[in-house]
Amino acid sequence: GQNIDQPTEMTATEGAIVQINCTYQTSGFNGLFWYQQHAGEAPTFLSYNVLDGLEEKGRFSSFLSRSKGYSYLLLKELQMKDSASYLCAVRDHSGNTPLVFGKGTRLSVIA
Amino acid sequence: EPEVTQTPSHQVTQMGQEVILRCVPISNHLYFYWYRQILGQKVEFLVSFYNNEISEKSEIFDDQFSVERPDGSNFTLKIRSTKLEDSAMYFCASSERQGGDYGYTFGSGTRLTVV
Repeated sequence: GQNIDQPTEMTATEGAIVQINCTYQTSGFNGLFWYQQHAGEAPTFLSYNVLDGLEEKGRFSSFLSRSKGYSYLLLKELQMKDSASYLCAVRDHSGNTPLVFGKGTRLSVIA
Repeated sequence: EPEVTQTPSHQVTQMGQEVILRCVPISNHLYFYWYRQILGQKVEFLVSFYNNEISEKSEIFDDQFSVERPDGSNFTLKIRSTKLEDSAMYFCASSERQGGDYGYTFGSGTRLTVV
């Protein structure tokens, strides 16, 4: 079966750094995605990892360890607008394969 | 920036009625998807579509569901006889490349409420 685990909620302070973890157990692996979803809106693409290591994109970075079935999303210099749900999703094989999403982590950024 | 457009944004329907949710994917995208999200739950895959046929579908996508690309721009999801448990936000998504390596673009969703 497919299983993707993330913490349900996190709170962090404006200007700080927060790390959102994701662990996965899937039958195969062909990429891990992070999406941001504001309440009542569509998910928007943040990052994609298929090889081990860190991918940096501005204030956001994503890390992957395939051997550990583990990823994290790192958000730096937090802003109030970063308050949202962060969804970890895995594609378990190649081709036009759908994504399997975790339940998401609701991040609240406080002043 | 190109967008995936979904209509209507909100639909209320009576149990047992048919609904059609409409999507206009990004024009140069070739791969299309429907996902749904029941309130407070995770995003779930329904169906993927390429070259005018279904590529893959989930267990949720039973005989009550169908998809169609009636012309060169629209992509529709039909639910033949709605049930209360079909109430959810339905997202259309499209991607240019196979498997969406660079991430799908999701539409803003249709909130379906079955009463």
